[in-house]
Amino acid sequence: NAGVTQTPKFQVLKTGQSMTLQCAQDMNHNSMYWYRQDPGMGLRLIYYSASEGTTDKGEVPNGYNVSRLNKREFSLRLESAAPSQTSVYFCASKFFPENTEAFFGQGTRLTVV
Amino acid sequence: AQTVTQSQPEMSVQEAETVTLSCTYDTSESNYYLFWYKQPPSRQMILVIRQEAYKQQNATENRFSVNFQKAAKSFSLKISDSQLGDTAMYFCAFMKPPNSGNTPLVFGKGTRLSVIA
Repeated sequence: NAGVTQTPKFQVLKTGQSMTLQCAQDMNHNSMYWYRQDPGMGLRLIYYSASEGTTDKGEVPNGYNVSRLNKREFSLRLESAAPSQTSVYFCASKFFPENTEAFFGQGTRLTVV
Repeated sequence: AQTVTQSQPEMSVQEAETVTLSCTYDTSESNYYLFWYKQPPSRQMILVIRQEAYKQQNATENRFSVNFQKAAKSFSLKISDSQLGDTAMYFCAFMKPPNSGNTPLVFGKGTRLSVIA
């Protein structure tokens, strides 16, 4: 079982460059999430998709866009990367409403220089 | 909005000893779910234990147990017989119940636990 797969695992960007973080899950989950993790800040929600075709802003959405491509895939795009977006990014998914457990990918460490 | 507070940024414990990690939360909901997630150096997020607020009995998973005090809005994690593999960042998290809609997990800032041989 692959679970939640994130690509890439590591990335270095220059300020102003764009990139898309990919996330795919093979558990037939309907809900997917993007979080960022910064030292001393815990995990903060960027965007989420409660179901295919819907997306909603989380706590820290500025500078990001998302696309729920289909039920399996939920991508996060940085249009013009800034050093403040240096972070570890996690994708997660769960099956609403039957299950409460969220499953996480292994994270993407992004550095913006 | 719900908030989750972990007041201990770092803790350490001797191998085989017991340690308790604290978590408090703020909500106006009467039912909800609380979780402890473990993040070892591999970065993988692993669910350790979960508690549903309307269940009075404290959840237990092997060496991990919680002390859930609903009135005090407190949800602490006790790790018994600590092992070197317990060294990790631990996150407390809150979620509204499904009948409140499809809402995401809200996390605390984490407690870094070091188990010392």
